[in-house]
Amino acid sequence: EDQVTQSPEALRLQEGESSSLNCSYTVSGLRGLFWYRQDPGKGPEFLFTLYSAGEEKEKERLKATLTKKESFLHITAPKPEDSATYLCAVQVRHSGAGSYQLTFGKGTKLSVIP
Amino acid sequence: DTGVSQNPRHKITKRGQNVTFRCDPISEHNRLYWYRQTLGQGPEFLTYFQNEAQLEKSRLLSDRFSAERPKGSFSTLEIQRTEQGDSAMYLCASSSSRGGPYEQYFGPGTRLTVT
Repeated sequence: EDQVTQSPEALRLQEGESSSLNCSYTVSGLRGLFWYRQDPGKGPEFLFTLYSAGEEKEKERLKATLTKKESFLHITAPKPEDSATYLCAVQVRHSGAGSYQLTFGKGTKLSVIP
Repeated sequence: DTGVSQNPRHKITKRGQNVTFRCDPISEHNRLYWYRQTLGQGPEFLTYFQNEAQLEKSRLLSDRFSAERPKGSFSTLEIQRTEQGDSAMYLCASSSSRGGPYEQYFGPGTRLTVT
């Protein structure tokens, strides 16, 4: 069974204090790994797609990296507006018709204190 | 902004009643997904359409749940004989099938409360 585990569950940072969120996965064949940001009461907002080990993507203060077993979301010099829950999801290759569903982790709730 | 839209945003219903939610995907997207999210959890997959064909259903989708996507445009998700355990955020997402990437774009969700 495909599994996605995110750690830590919650993270409090001072403004400007850089850190990383972890997403480890166990899947039969990875089609893609996705990072989303979710604000309270809203739908997930797409951030990044990573397809193969060694790939990196950047957007403003965020950088996502991928290995064969895990992905990291690095946050550099965070600001209070970066406070949100960050979700990791995998899409798995299947034989036949294929499957495009996402399997999500439980998320990391990030709080950035001014 | 032509993002994914969902209606209603909030629904409060009594146990045993039927409810129906609507999702309008991004116009050029031919794939549409439904997910359910409860507090403190990530979204869980319910079902998936490519155009008007429902190609995949999760075992979470009991007989009380039905989804349609007539003409491959908007989709509806109906829950019959609601139970308190159905209280959750119901999320709709859409994506394109043309080449990659396959990222899914989510709507704002419908918050269902069953009393």
